[in-house]
Amino acid sequence: NAGVMQNPRHLVRRRGQEARLRCSPMKGHSHVYWYRQLPEEGLKFMVYLQKENIIDESGMPKERFSAEFPKEGPSILRIQQVVRGDSAAYFCASSPGQGRDTQYFGPGTRLTVL
Amino acid sequence: SQKIEQNSEALNIQEGKTATLTCNYTNYSPAYLQWYRQDPGRGPVFLLLIRENEKEKRKERLKVTFDTTLKQSLFHITASQPADSATYLCALDRLNNAGNMLTFGGGTRLMVKP
Repeated sequence: NAGVMQNPRHLVRRRGQEARLRCSPMKGHSHVYWYRQLPEEGLKFMVYLQKENIIDESGMPKERFSAEFPKEGPSILRIQQVVRGDSAAYFCASSPGQGRDTQYFGPGTRLTVL
Repeated sequence: SQKIEQNSEALNIQEGKTATLTCNYTNYSPAYLQWYRQDPGRGPVFLLLIRENEKEKRKERLKVTFDTTLKQSLFHITASQPADSATYLCALDRLNNAGNMLTFGGGTRLMVKP
């Protein structure tokens, strides 16, 4: 029973390039959450998605960041024209969505912007 | 504004002693509170959830208390072991639509020395 999968685990991009981070939730989970963790800081909520719907994106920067969770396939967090300040660990979590649940986290993608 | 505070300084204790970590919050009325463990380079792992109408919750060597009057949760690890060394995060819920967004504290790093 696989847990939450994220890939790649490490991603290096140059300033101005695009970064695509993928998250496959646990089997049977229909709710996906993305968080960002800067070095020595806590997790910051970015966006909450269900299949084909963005439920809450109050934590997403207004520009360059977007997220989707298509009917088929993994959830994607996309960062366009990356800057050095985007360097962080990005974690995806999933839950079954039956009311209030604990969230199960993936191993994270560590993005480094050169 | 809403704030969740955990002691940012590392907590160093001797093996066998009880570790006590604190989570304080302001301008918040969470229905429940969760504690997670995070090891370096890994995603958070759920440990315990306590609801607003529960004073105390236990799981093996772990104990969590939740005082909604003081707006504080305490997390105890009894008979601590070096393997308990990690960063511990508290998280409060923010209900929205059909799911729940978690707001995390900055975490407290625990070091258990043999």
